[in-house]
Order: sequence, then C-alpha cells, then structure tokens
Amino acid sequence: GIQVEQSPPDLILQEGANSTLRCNFSDSVNNLQWFHQNPWGQLINLFYIPSGTKQNGRLSATTVATERYSLLYISSSQTTDSGVYFCAGSYGNNRLAFGKGNQVVVIP
Amino acid sequence: EAGVAQSPRYKIIEKRQSVAFWCNPISGHATLYWYQQILGQGPKLLIQFQNNGVVDDSQLPKDRFSAERLKGVDSTLKIQPAKLEDSAVYLCASSSDYSNQPQHFGDGTRLSIL
Repeated sequence: GIQVEQSPPDLILQEGANSTLRCNFSDSVNNLQWFHQNPWGQLINLFYIPSGTKQNGRLSATTVATERYSLLYISSSQTTDSGVYFCAGSYGNNRLAFGKGNQVVVIP
Repeated sequence: EAGVAQSPRYKIIEKRQSVAFWCNPISGHATLYWYQQILGQGPKLLIQFQNNGVVDDSQLPKDRFSAERLKGVDSTLKIQPAKLEDSAVYLCASSSDYSNQPQHFGDGTRLSIL
C-alpha cells in the first residue's frame, strides 16, 4: 500500500500565528483529502484537492501531484483550530491511505 | 443533506463479548467504508462495499470481524469475540461511488474493551 508521511507531528501555535503542514506520499495517488479531527473525534472534511490550490476562509491547500506532496496552510490561527489534521490519498478502488496526523495546539 | 449516521456513540464491553455497530450512509451513496482508528494513528480501512457487494476486505480480521450491507443502504459491523486490541474508534464513511469521489465520515463509535 501507499505510505503517507505527515510533518511536523506536533505543533504548538500562539493564537494569530500562521503555519504550514506537509504531507508526502510514497507513490502516486488518484486524489487527496485533508481532514480535521476535533477533540470529540469527528473527522471534518477540509479539502478534496487532487492537484492545484484551494482556499476556504483562513485555510488553504496546495497539492503538487507530480512531486507527491500536499501542503495545508493555516493563517491567523484560532483556538478552535486545535486538533489533529490528517491527509489521506486515494488509490485503487478509492481506498484511502492516511498519515499519522499533525497534532496542532493553538494557545490563546 | 443529512450526514453519515452511526450508533452507538460509545460502547464498553468485556473481552470475549460480542458487539455490533450500525451505519447509515448519506442518501444515494453507493460506496460504504468501515475504518478502525487506534489511538494516535490514522484510520485504517477494514472493509469497503459497493452497493451490497464487498469491494475490499483484505484488512478485515475475518476470524472475529464480520460486516454486511444486505440491502445496499445501511451496514452493520460485528466483532465476536472481542479482544483487548480491538479498543479503537470505528468510523463509517460513504462516497457517491468508488471512482475517486470524496469520502464523508460519520462521528464514529468509540469502543473500549475491559
């Protein structure tokens, strides 16, 4: 299967700071999703981004499929951004391979 | 549009007991997935259905886990007998089909084995 590496594993941010999370894939994926898992365990869809750049409010994502990586940008972070961010690549019959996640803590 | 529904939200059982989880996907979604998420890790696919047929169950521990989606809509995942290492969150997801469509996840069932 495909290996997914996410960095950094842990990140502590001051409220208002910006950050970049990275996701590398061991092989090509058909599509890529970013999720936010909140403290209650809910996996929230952030982006469905096989290639290019998308923006949604303070969050944006860029996927460079030819180089097998994706970036998630968080700008002007808020305490509600705390949680674990997962990227997942789809392959085969839309099977998702997840990384271990980026644990983000935003302190006021 | 209603999201993916799962129940129960939490379950505590003793080892060697059996347990079942239920999932109702987003209306019209043909593909349904069950994932296992162990603490500190990303979700891992257990089984994937397309309508009422199994597409991929290569990572399902078939000696103790079983799943069905008899009418091609809702699905049940069962563990019998449970082991301590089965303590995890069990997530259900659905997509409109399996041609690289985004997957949408339910809130999960948190299972604790004593």
